[in-house]
Amino acid sequence: AQSVTQLGSHVSVSEGALVLLRCNYSSSVPPYLFWYVQYPNQGLQLLLKYTTGATLVKGINGFEAEFKKSETSFHLTKPSAHMSDAAEYFCAVSGTDSNYQLIWGAGTKLIIKP
Amino acid sequence: EAGVAQSPRYKIIEKRQSVAFWCNPISGHATLYWYQQILGQGPKLLIQFQNNGVVDDSQLPKDRFSAERLKGVDSTLKIQPAKLEDSAVYLCASSLDKTGGRETQYFGPGTRLLVL
Repeated sequence: AQSVTQLGSHVSVSEGALVLLRCNYSSSVPPYLFWYVQYPNQGLQLLLKYTTGATLVKGINGFEAEFKKSETSFHLTKPSAHMSDAAEYFCAVSGTDSNYQLIWGAGTKLIIKP
Repeated sequence: EAGVAQSPRYKIIEKRQSVAFWCNPISGHATLYWYQQILGQGPKLLIQFQNNGVVDDSQLPKDRFSAERLKGVDSTLKIQPAKLEDSAVYLCASSLDKTGGRETQYFGPGTRLLVL
């Protein structure tokens, strides 16, 4: 069965520091991979997604993620954290059923320290 | 372009009462999803519609939950009767095409339900 593991339910970084949110997945087929962000009291918004091709994917707000097949990982990074990045981040992988239903991670809450 | 609209934003009910949520997807989006998001967890798909037909409702507790999408546009999700464990945020999302999870999904702000 497919699964998504996000390491760390909470990650705290200082403003201006590197952001690294970890995501590992299991999939029996080449996956589509997604990062969504959820700001307080809002719905989820797509940050970036990997389909095929280039393994380094750039998204909105300066975020990027690298698909590493050998490590089954899709970690999210941003060189310099901003206070506005405080939110919850969800990693998801497309499933293998006929509808490719998304398999979601449990989420990582990013806390930015001033 | 208007986003996905949901109402109400918040609802508090007593257990065993009924409640309904409404969703209006982005214009032209064929696929509509209802998710349940419990605090500290990722979203759980309850039901997926393609136009006005059900594609997947395998995780919908059909003894108490029902959903419909009339005319392939707006959708309502109903819980009757509600249980304490139904306290969650109910998210509606839509996508343009029918390739399910491979499509970008656009989410509404959600309805936060508290069952007392």
